Amino acid sequence: AQSVTQLGSHVSVSEGALVLLRCNYSSSVPPYLFWYVQYPNQGLQLLLKYTTGATLVKGINGFEAEFKKSETSFHLTKPSAHMSDAAEYFCAVSGSRIYGNKLVFGAGTILRVKS
Amino acid sequence: NAGVTQTPKFQVLKTGQSMTLQCAQDMNHNSMYWYRQDPGMGLRLIYYSASEGTTDKGEVPNGYNVSRLNKREFSLRLESAAPSQTSVYFCASSADRIPEAFFGQGTRLTVV
Repeated sequence: AQSVTQLGSHVSVSEGALVLLRCNYSSSVPPYLFWYVQYPNQGLQLLLKYTTGATLVKGINGFEAEFKKSETSFHLTKPSAHMSDAAEYFCAVSGSRIYGNKLVFGAGTILRVKS
Repeated sequence: NAGVTQTPKFQVLKTGQSMTLQCAQDMNHNSMYWYRQDPGMGLRLIYYSASEGTTDKGEVPNGYNVSRLNKREFSLRLESAAPSQTSVYFCASSADRIPEAFFGQGTRLTVV
């Protein structure tokens, strides 16, 4: 079984500041990890994913995340926040198909960017 | 590319009424999902289908039924709507090898 914990339901940063959104996961099998973004009244869009290989993954809009197995973490970062980054962000975990590839989401973190 | 298409986009139901939410994908994906999204709770899996002809319960299946009509279509039915089912519903699909989910635009359902 898999689960996801996102620390902080709301995060506020100034424009140009570092963005750090925290995600810890629990998985009994090798995990696939994802970050999705949701803008108001829209569906979810994939930001980035970790499957295997390089533990630092880069996504769209300048975001990146690092898979740390020892810490069971997959935190999302962006060096410099932009006003357009204001949205809700979801971390998700899944196993491979042989383990039943249901995607399990965290509760989400709303990012506010102050001018 | 259409991707995942959900209908309707908005719906208001009275308590006890029934309705079916429709979902279709054109990406030839085997797996399809129905989630509900409520504030502060993220997305919770209602049902999923790993392939045509198979369906399994997710985290919150009570009050819902699903039908995987064919590879493209996966419908969600509320037989007797309750106010607790007021939510935003998302359909998603994914390929087998890496379960990266592609989402529809959502259906905002209000039960009064």
